[in-house]
Amino acid sequence: AQSVAQPEDQVNVAEGNPLTVKCTYSVSGNPYLFWYVQYPNRGLQFLLKYITGDNLVKGSYGFEAEFNKSQTSFHLKKPSALVSDSALYFCAVRDISSNYQLIWGAGTKLIIKP
Amino acid sequence: DTAVSQTPKYLVTQMGNDKSIKCEQNLGHDTMYWYKQDSKKFLKIMFSYNNKELIINETVPNRFSPKSPDKAHLNLHINSLELGDSAVYFCASSQDSQWSGADTQYFGPGTRLTVL
Repeated sequence: AQSVAQPEDQVNVAEGNPLTVKCTYSVSGNPYLFWYVQYPNRGLQFLLKYITGDNLVKGSYGFEAEFNKSQTSFHLKKPSALVSDSALYFCAVRDISSNYQLIWGAGTKLIIKP
Repeated sequence: DTAVSQTPKYLVTQMGNDKSIKCEQNLGHDTMYWYKQDSKKFLKIMFSYNNKELIINETVPNRFSPKSPDKAHLNLHINSLELGDSAVYFCASSQDSQWSGADTQYFGPGTRLTVL
């Protein structure tokens, strides 16, 4: 069955340090991978997606993610964290075997400390 | 201009009541969705409509009924509200049919439903 795992419930990073939010997936076909961010009491905002091509995808607010097919991962990264990056981050995947429904991870709370 | 809007933002009601949540998108998208986010922040797809036609109907109680008067609107009506219905409900839309896979879903701000 298709699934997405975000192994960390929470990630703590000091401001200015690089950050990584992990995501691994399991699908039977070629995956389409997405990252969304949810700020407190707000809706989900699209950050970036991998469809095909270059494994390194750049998105909004300086975030990027690297698609690694062999490790079935799509980790979200940012070279230098800002306090304003503190939010809930969701990874999601679609493929043909899920009839292209988005399968969501449980979310990772990112806390950036000044 | 708000791309995907929902009303109301907050909804507090008693058990047994019937309520509706409205959603509108001005992106010209063909597909719209309803999601439920529970208190642990898990997201679950409830329904999906493509050009006013229901294409996803997950295991959701019959008390929940989506209605799409046109492709820019997808409303959610809930009958006989229960305590367990308390959650945040998100509407979303995407450009093409859900079958294209690559389309990005754009979300509304959410409606926080509290059933007392």
